[in-house]
Amino acid sequence: NAGVTQTPKFQVLKTGQSMTLQCAQDMNHNSMYWYRQDPGMGLRLIYYSASEGTTDKGEVPNGYNVSRLNKREFSLRLESAAPSQTSVYFCASRDFRLRNTEAFFGQGTRLTVV
Amino acid sequence: AQKVTQAQTEISVVEKEDVTLDCVYETRDTTYYLFWYKQPPSGELVFLIRRNSFDEQNEISGRYSWNFQKSTSSFNFTITASQVVDSAVYFCALSESGGSTLGRLYFGRGTQLTVWP
Repeated sequence: NAGVTQTPKFQVLKTGQSMTLQCAQDMNHNSMYWYRQDPGMGLRLIYYSASEGTTDKGEVPNGYNVSRLNKREFSLRLESAAPSQTSVYFCASRDFRLRNTEAFFGQGTRLTVV
Repeated sequence: AQKVTQAQTEISVVEKEDVTLDCVYETRDTTYYLFWYKQPPSGELVFLIRRNSFDEQNEISGRYSWNFQKSTSSFNFTITASQVVDSAVYFCALSESGGSTLGRLYFGRGTQLTVWP
């Protein structure tokens, strides 16, 4: 059982380049999340999708777009990368119908924008 | 205002000491859920415990225990007889049950725990 799979694990981008972070879960969860983690800031929510077909902004959505492709997949796109987007990105999923279930996290993507 | 506050940014203890990590949350919902996660130096996020707002019973799991007090909106985590392997960043998180925040999962900023041998 793979759980939550994120790709890539590491990425270096030049300022202005674009890229998409991929996330897939095989637990039939309805809710998926993208967080970024920066030193001293904890996990900040970028976007989330409470269910297939819906997406909502979190605390720090600027500079990002998301696509809930289907129930399994939730991608995060950086259209024009900036050094301020250097961070570790985590995708997560949970079964919100059961509400009290924990979120399962991917291994993270370490992104550096130079 | 932050919904989850972990006031302790860093804590250092010596092995075998007991240590308590504080978590204070803010919500208007009557039904909500609280979580603790551990992030070891390897970077992955490891789920430790969940608690719903109707269950104020404290929980003990080996050297770990959790004290949930609705009266003070706190969900504190204690490690008894700490070990070097407990060194990690610990996150507290809150999930609310309805309204405009449906489905969101809020995290505190984390507490870096270092256990010295």
